[in-house]
Amino acid sequence: DAGITQSPRHKVTETGTPVTLRCHQTENHRYMYWYRQDPGHGLRLIHYSYGVKDTDKGEVSDGYSVSRSKTEDFLLTLESATSSQTSVYFCAISERQSNTGELFFGEGSRLTVL
Amino acid sequence: SQQGEEDPQALSIQEGENATMNCSYKTSINNLQWYRQNSGRGLVHLILIRSNEREKHSGRLRVTLDTSKKSSSLLITASRAADTASYFCATHFSGGGADGLTFGKGTHLIIQP
Repeated sequence: DAGITQSPRHKVTETGTPVTLRCHQTENHRYMYWYRQDPGHGLRLIHYSYGVKDTDKGEVSDGYSVSRSKTEDFLLTLESATSSQTSVYFCAISERQSNTGELFFGEGSRLTVL
Repeated sequence: SQQGEEDPQALSIQEGENATMNCSYKTSINNLQWYRQNSGRGLVHLILIRSNEREKHSGRLRVTLDTSKKSSSLLITASRAADTASYFCATHFSGGGADGLTFGKGTHLIIQP
């Protein structure tokens, strides 16, 4: 199994509070991604990173920010959580760009915003 | 959205039978990938087929790609209870500046013992 650790795995928070999810990899892969998975929507890309301090937006980036200060860590921050951000969040990594390579996924972080 | 769409949304078959699920997409692609997700777990890569390939095999998996119809199919032969999972197709569309795969909503496969 690819060395990907997401934390926390479960979190319940209240509307308006900040939340940070962490993705840690031990594979030294260049590319890292944050997806959210919701019933009826499948997986949707939030943000991705193609190197340290290099990030870009995905399909559903509003309300989210990311940071990557080290190769191994990719943080997803919800500055002020809303109920619509209740979801399961998945981190994925890839050695190559997704047009040539496969993604390896973490086990997910389930976030509930009350 | 360049999202792929799997069909059917749900499929229930007897153990030992073959399972076929389909994926359609909207624009030109570089490659198409299939992933499996067991309940409560992350996605696991199954197979990648490039736009210039028509068929690919991996163990009990057979994937076809028809770029003229913008569709792909995943065949699982001699199904087992452990194949019970959701299956997703994912595409990376060509010409786009952004990276990342676009996933369909998945086919939920149940293998009855």
